[in-house]
Amino acid sequence: DTAVSQTPKYLVTQMGNDKSIKCEQNLGHDTMYWYKQDSKKFLKIMFSYNNKELIINETVPNRFSPKSPDKAHLNLHINSLELGDSAVYFCASRRGRGESYNEQFFGPGTRLTVL
Amino acid sequence: QQPVQSPQAVILREGEDAVINCSSSKALYSVHWYRQKHGEAPVFLMILLKGGEQMRHEKISASFNEKKQQSSLYLTASQLSYSGTYFCGTEYGGNEKLTFGTGTRLTIIP
Repeated sequence: DTAVSQTPKYLVTQMGNDKSIKCEQNLGHDTMYWYKQDSKKFLKIMFSYNNKELIINETVPNRFSPKSPDKAHLNLHINSLELGDSAVYFCASRRGRGESYNEQFFGPGTRLTVL
Repeated sequence: QQPVQSPQAVILREGEDAVINCSSSKALYSVHWYRQKHGEAPVFLMILLKGGEQMRHEKISASFNEKKQQSSLYLTASQLSYSGTYFCGTEYGGNEKLTFGTGTRLTIIP
């Protein structure tokens, strides 16, 4: 059973388009995250939700909008895609409200390429 | 601020030892270590909490020096499977956000 899954795995699109990435976790965790990993492999947090409530919102362009319909799902919608949005986007989940002693489980990633 | 890892890259022969350091400019509450293989997701290795004990995962161990605001990952008798990029993730004040380090690329050769 896949613990954290993401769709699609690859996404190739033109500049200016709008796209969504979906994430689901079957671990029963309460907290979910979106990370962006750029070409230099820097892994940077974007958003975090706890039980459908936004708890972390980093300095991310407002073209990015996360949505959590329930605590098992966290989707990422991106409007007006730009070349700089090309990256691998990882979803992750964590038990509880993110207590320090709990590990994060990462999804397989979605490689987004903007042409 | 992003924690700084050193070295940036290291190449080892199978069986050799390595140390990866993670340094922060701010006081640390916890340090998490992850390994990411090429084209895959980061995978959890261990967590070190402020005031906690040194942790161990098979032949990989880690320490947390609160005074130096630094954590070190020790890989003993490295195996081919240890190859990958190692990231430390730091928390400040237990605020739930992990700030990942710059990464250390480890290559093990036979």
